[in-house]
Amino acid sequence: DIQMTQSPSSLSASVGDRVTITCRASQSIIRYLNWYQQKPGKAPNLLIYAASSLQSGVPSRFSGSGSGTDFTLTISSLQPEDFTTYFCQQSYSTPLTFGGGTKVEIK
Amino acid sequence: QVQLVESGGGLVKPGGSLRLSCAASGFTLRDYDMSWIRQAPGRGLEWVSYISSSSSYTNYADSVKGRYTISRDNAENSLYLQMNSLRDEDTAVYYCARGVYGGKTHDYWGQGTLVTVSS
Repeated sequence: DIQMTQSPSSLSASVGDRVTITCRASQSIIRYLNWYQQKPGKAPNLLIYAASSLQSGVPSRFSGSGSGTDFTLTISSLQPEDFTTYFCQQSYSTPLTFGGGTKVEIK
Repeated sequence: QVQLVESGGGLVKPGGSLRLSCAASGFTLRDYDMSWIRQAPGRGLEWVSYISSSSSYTNYADSVKGRYTISRDNAENSLYLQMNSLRDEDTAVYYCARGVYGGKTHDYWGQGTLVTVSS
């Protein structure tokens, strides 16, 4: 199974800050990496697919990069609605696996 | 608009069974692969099972293999998850999710249904 290690597990930031979350795969997944945002009590929402493609309707302040084993999600300017939890997921092979999550909190 | 609505969750004793349903609307279910994904209370996301658009291929997490069965009825626009021999550790919110971009990226999710396994 491919292990996905996400870091940090939590971070504190302010509105307007630039934030970067990383995800590392235990083996190469090429660019089969997705990012989701999840708000409390809600289902996850797809932000980025194929490492760097922005899902329709997602604000352009979200971007993704990386290939192979190392990937990043960047939020260029944090907005109040962005303070929540983010997960990466590899779609390279089953079993599909998720990172442990990053909770973005208000500083 | 695309909508996925899960049902069938509830409280069940260890060793018991439940059948979850996911009603799809706003799109043609037969055109999409689908997955079940679960989330234990306060925990991360765990993929459970996958089914291809025509049901020709299914796959399961090791943690549920042999106990769970995924199926679909494209004519009824429904996805199912039969869960047998339930364990305490199966307690979670179960989501159905639509697969895109190769079937293993999930662009729409249901609101989830809570399964609680407890004596």
